[in-house]
Formats: sequence, C-alpha cells, structure tokens
Amino acid sequence: GNSVTQMEGPVTLSEEAFLTINCTYTATGYPSLFWYVQYPGEGLQLLLKATKADDKGSNKGFEATYRKETTSFHLEKGSVQVSDSAVYFCALSGESQGGKLIFGQGTELSVKP
Amino acid sequence: DSGVTQTPKHLITATGQRVTLRCSPRSGDLSVYWYQQSLDQGLQFLIQYYNGEERAKGNILERFSAQQFPDLHSELNLSSLELGDSALYFCASSVSVSGRGETQYFGPGTRLLVL
Repeated sequence: GNSVTQMEGPVTLSEEAFLTINCTYTATGYPSLFWYVQYPGEGLQLLLKATKADDKGSNKGFEATYRKETTSFHLEKGSVQVSDSAVYFCALSGESQGGKLIFGQGTELSVKP
Repeated sequence: DSGVTQTPKHLITATGQRVTLRCSPRSGDLSVYWYQQSLDQGLQFLIQYYNGEERAKGNILERFSAQQFPDLHSELNLSSLELGDSALYFCASSVSVSGRGETQYFGPGTRLLVL
C-alpha cells in the first residue's frame, strides 16, 4: 500500500541555518504530495503541495519539489527562524482514493536563537 | 483559523464509556475526514464522509462509528473506550472528494484522555 517515510527528529538548528527534512514515498500512479505543519497546541496547517512530477510547492520561504524518479518530496528552507519551530508532516493523497491523506511520522524542528 | 470547528477541546473519561466528538466543516465544504493522532501510531486516517455518505474507511475500530448529518456537521462516536484510545482526534474538511491535490483544512482537534 501507499506509505510515507520522513527523517526522524528532533532536528535542532540555529536561527538562519539551512533546513532540509527528507521525505520519500511509496505509491502507485501519481499521488499528490503535501507538507503540513503543526505548531504546539494547534491543528495541522497546509504548508505547501505539489500534484505532479517536477512541480515545486513553495510558501513562507519553504520549498519542496516532487521528484518521481527518486519518489521524494524533501522540504527545504534557506534560513530558518525561531518561529519555524514546529512538527512537520509529509503526506500523500493517492489517485482514486477519495483524498484521504497518508502521513509520515512527523519531524520535530526546534530553532534556537 | 481554518474555519473547521471541533468540540469539545478536551475530554476526560473512564474505560468502558462512550463519547461523541463533533466537527463542523468549513462553509461550503462537503467532505469530512477524521484522523487519530497518537504517540505510537502517529497520524492515521479513520473515515471519510462526503455529503452525508460514507466514502472511505481507514484504520477505524469496530467500536468507533461516525456519521455526517444533512447540515454537513459530523460526529465521531467512540464506545467501550480503552486506555489505548487516548489520542488527539482531528477533523478535516475539503470541498469535494477529487483527491487531486485538494487541500484539507484541519480543526484544532479534540484531546481524549481515557483513565
């Protein structure tokens, strides 16, 4: 079945450091890919998404590119801020599956001043 | 604020009891999804409704059931509760069921603690 694997956390970075959170997936066909973010005590918010190969999703300085050849959707940001501290979830929505999301295990990011 | 509301925010109950979690989707959204977030299982899809009809089922226990009402709000019923049911339960909504990159908007969740 479909699945998502994320790098384990926690990830601790200093402010202005470069961030990469790895995400790989297993799915048949052409799933849609998402990054959601969960701030402490809150629900999940969509950060960015991509629906076809080579698409790049971007938002708030974060980027991720849908790589079909490596089945990956790595999240990057050039310069993190303390306010980026949160848990990041990679997810996919498979074709013909009605939109349900399959999530990775989440990666906790802590940014220190 | 995503526009999805969930009540109650917190729920503490005892083993063997039954609880009902409520979700109101964003205005105009016809599809409602329920997810469970626990430390050992992570975020798991439970069930989806679209315009009152069940559309997809995930890892939902037989002790759990859900429905979507004509006004599109949804309820998740959890019965014969066990300690392991303690988790954060999220509701999400989307416009339809295309699944083609459609964004799901999540509520703030209901934190259930079973003692």
